[in-house]
Amino acid sequence: DAMVIQNPRYQVTQFGKPVTLSCSQTLNHNVMYWYQQKSSQAPKLLFHYYDKDFNNEADTPDNFQSRRPNTSFCFLDIRSPGLGDAAMYLCATSRALTSTDTQYFGPGTRLTVL
Amino acid sequence: DQQVKQNSPSLSVQEGRISILNCDYTNSMFDYFLWYKKYPAEGPTFLISISSIKDKNEDGRFTVFLNKSAKHLSLHIVPSQPGDSAVYFCAARSGGSNYKLTFGKGTLLTVNP
Repeated sequence: DAMVIQNPRYQVTQFGKPVTLSCSQTLNHNVMYWYQQKSSQAPKLLFHYYDKDFNNEADTPDNFQSRRPNTSFCFLDIRSPGLGDAAMYLCATSRALTSTDTQYFGPGTRLTVL
Repeated sequence: DQQVKQNSPSLSVQEGRISILNCDYTNSMFDYFLWYKKYPAEGPTFLISISSIKDKNEDGRFTVFLNKSAKHLSLHIVPSQPGDSAVYFCAARSGGSNYKLTFGKGTLLTVNP
């Protein structure tokens, strides 16, 4: 009964080689988020989609892009990964964009950049 | 600038005793606070929350206390069980239609049998 699924769980890429991380959800939630969590750091919001509306956080590097082809799926594209992009990437969903809406997280994809 | 701080990276307690996890915040606009629990190889899962209009919220063994004047909240787990061993994240929001969660770095709780 997995609700937020992330694939792959572990991804290894080379410096500068584009990589795509995938997230899917069975909750039919309107909002999908991508967070980056570096080692021993707090998860940091990169961007979110409310339905098809994309909202980028002001400090998210241009190197990070996202696509949401339908309600269930959302992708994180890293165009030219650098060594500093090695991190855990967490996908989350919520029903709506209010302060009391719970965010449900996937298990994360750990990205290694060689 | 860290707006949500969990100053203890780790905490170890004996089974059956109380676990107290602390969190401090600096942004006075925060008015909704959450605790998430994370097991290894899993994503964070929502545990308990509290609105700034309350000073306490209880759910079974878990109680969250909020001291707005001190900008401090704490999570109490009584009694602690080995299955509670996990990383606990404190998170905060600034209310209304603000969706954005600001997280602390987490505290690793180990409950020893």
